[in-house]
Amino acid sequence: QKEVEQDPGPLSVPEGAIVSLNCTYSNSAFQYFMWYRQYSRKGPELLMYTYSSGNKEDGRFTAQVDKSSKYISLFIRDSQPSDSATYLCAMSANNFNKFYFGSGTKLNVKP
Amino acid sequence: GAVVSQHPSRVICKSGTSVKIECRSLDFQATTMFWYRQFPKQSLMLMATSNEGSKATYEQGVEKDKFLINHASLTLSTLTVTSAHPEDSSFYICSAGPGLGITAEGTQYFGPGTRLLVL
Repeated sequence: QKEVEQDPGPLSVPEGAIVSLNCTYSNSAFQYFMWYRQYSRKGPELLMYTYSSGNKEDGRFTAQVDKSSKYISLFIRDSQPSDSATYLCAMSANNFNKFYFGSGTKLNVKP
Repeated sequence: GAVVSQHPSRVICKSGTSVKIECRSLDFQATTMFWYRQFPKQSLMLMATSNEGSKATYEQGVEKDKFLINHASLTLSTLTVTSAHPEDSSFYICSAGPGLGITAEGTQYFGPGTRLLVL
């Protein structure tokens, strides 16, 4: 079993839709949870960061962490064509520790 | 803030030559830098974890004599692919973090990547 599971997609939605991206994990020691956005042939860009459980909102993006279910989500409201990218979840157990990545979900927002 | 650069962005070399890739944190200091490899349409594969002033820790299956990592300062790490072969062609990405006193705990910031093509 992989440490982190993520549906690879592709996920195709119309512009303006609400997008829900999810990851599940097996290691209860994970405390740091990140979402990265990666455009083709570019390095990943940090979108959202959450420590432990709870919700975090930044503009059109909301990250949720449910440690009891070992489940994290990223919601994108009013999706735009520029949101079309691959979204990677990442998590780690300790500060300075290595990350465990999901496989990435490819999102396509159609105009 | 929290910008990481990589140089070169793209390199083409002949089989058997060595290639050096630099990773710099431009506006923060990071005790830890990571090197990843990414194949098309796949996620990131961690190659090694590099701490300033000490030897890198390599992931299982990664040849440390082939992928030499040097972490000379809190803002610079280098990856040298020695005696490169076509199968080493890939997208290499570094990350740094967390930044001392600047970025949140547990975070990593990625460089733009280096595309290596070995002929």
